Amino acid sequence: GAVVSQHPSRVICKSGTSVKIECRSLDFQATTMFWYRQFPKKSLMLMATSNEGSKATYEQGVEKDKFLINHASLTLSTLTVTSAHPEDSSFYICSARGGGGLTNEQFFGPGTRLTVL
Amino acid sequence: AQSVAQPEDQVNVAEGNPLTVKCTYSVSGNPYLFWYVQYPNRGLQFLLKYITGDNLVKGSYGFEAEFNKSQTSFHLKKPSALVSDSALYFCAVRGSGGSYIPTFGRGTSLIVHP
Repeated sequence: GAVVSQHPSRVICKSGTSVKIECRSLDFQATTMFWYRQFPKKSLMLMATSNEGSKATYEQGVEKDKFLINHASLTLSTLTVTSAHPEDSSFYICSARGGGGLTNEQFFGPGTRLTVL
Repeated sequence: AQSVAQPEDQVNVAEGNPLTVKCTYSVSGNPYLFWYVQYPNRGLQFLLKYITGDNLVKGSYGFEAEFNKSQTSFHLKKPSALVSDSALYFCAVRGSGGSYIPTFGRGTSLIVHP
């Protein structure tokens, strides 16, 4: 199957700093990318959906200014957690979908563990 | 609105026994159904999907799922469980008549005992 990479896999930062997470589709063009946050009790929360070249669509309750998403190319999307605080500590997962078909599955990155001290 | 229910938080099964992880859904239009597996500290991996055709779908690692339209279910099954199957399993659905964004279930932890 298609491969999606995420970098970094793990990051520890001080409160107040910004952290950027990259998501790349390595062998296909991702017209749509998704960013999820996974909580300790495992549920996946969709944060935002982005289409290449367009502004991201954020889910209700997700702060746009806090979680900046850029999808500048068909193979790269970035999530920047601005002025991170301990409550932002979580496991962030991106996924990508090629083409516009409703039947296409998503391919997930390996996730990024963010710890804010 | 579309929704997915995974009624079991955890499923325990002995190695070698058959396993079932349940999923029911609600969508507008025809359902497109997916199963994903997540191993600890990893992203999700695609297992299988139902789009149309045979109700029994075969996927990776010996897993299969049965689409049941009347019961709006898409349960994941495997005839003989392995300890290495222990992981978190997510069901997802997208409807042909609704949002193009899939909805995920809350996940089911599968624990296979030796």
